[in-house]
Amino acid sequence: QVTLRESGPALLKPTQTLTLTCTFSGFSLSTSGMCVSWIRQPPGKALEWLALIDWDDDKYYSTSLKTRLSISKDTSKDQVVLTMTNMDPVDTATYYCARMSGAYSTGYFDYWGQGTLVTVSS
Amino acid sequence: QSVLTQPPSVSGAPGQRVTISCTGSSSNIGAGYDVHWYQQLPGTAPKLLIYGDSNTNRPSGVPDRFSGSKSGTSASLAITGLQAEDEADYYCQSYDSSLRGSVFGGGTKLTVL
Repeated sequence: QVTLRESGPALLKPTQTLTLTCTFSGFSLSTSGMCVSWIRQPPGKALEWLALIDWDDDKYYSTSLKTRLSISKDTSKDQVVLTMTNMDPVDTATYYCARMSGAYSTGYFDYWGQGTLVTVSS
Repeated sequence: QSVLTQPPSVSGAPGQRVTISCTGSSSNIGAGYDVHWYQQLPGTAPKLLIYGDSNTNRPSGVPDRFSGSKSGTSASLAITGLQAEDEADYYCQSYDSSLRGSVFGGGTKLTVL
């Protein structure tokens, strides 16, 4: 049974750095072909893909947010960590981690965490 | 502004058939990349509905009332035999070679009348 769970701060001040952890079970990120992504959704708005890390430690980022994002994995803990610097109120959103199945250019998100709401406000 | 364009809303009566379009460009759908569909019920995480370009690629538990298709730079999700429980937001997703990453549509809210 595949599960993912996001954890991190619910409230941040502008300019602070966000660190989110995705703890997963039911698969191993050291297995060839496995990937985990971060996706966010501002209140009432659409989904936005942020970043992906694969079993080979290759990392991919949204071009619009690339300078602010960093993704890493701890295979021994079955965790993926996302950091986003210089947070702004427009970054207020529910942040999801999701497992991607398939190749990077054809993959789909087959399992999602429940999401964690991050609010940026002074 | 999302890379993939979806109508903001569609509606239909119980039992009817509705379609939701997803329009892209030559760097995503038009380049032949697969299109996937998700259903998001209010207050919950998105759920994979259709994956790949084949109508039959549905995760276990997704009824065959849901099907996908693709042509040129567009894709469509069709829902037949509409039920009240289908009322949700629907998103398409693909890959964009110019952006080198996954892209989502703006989402479509389905209302069952």
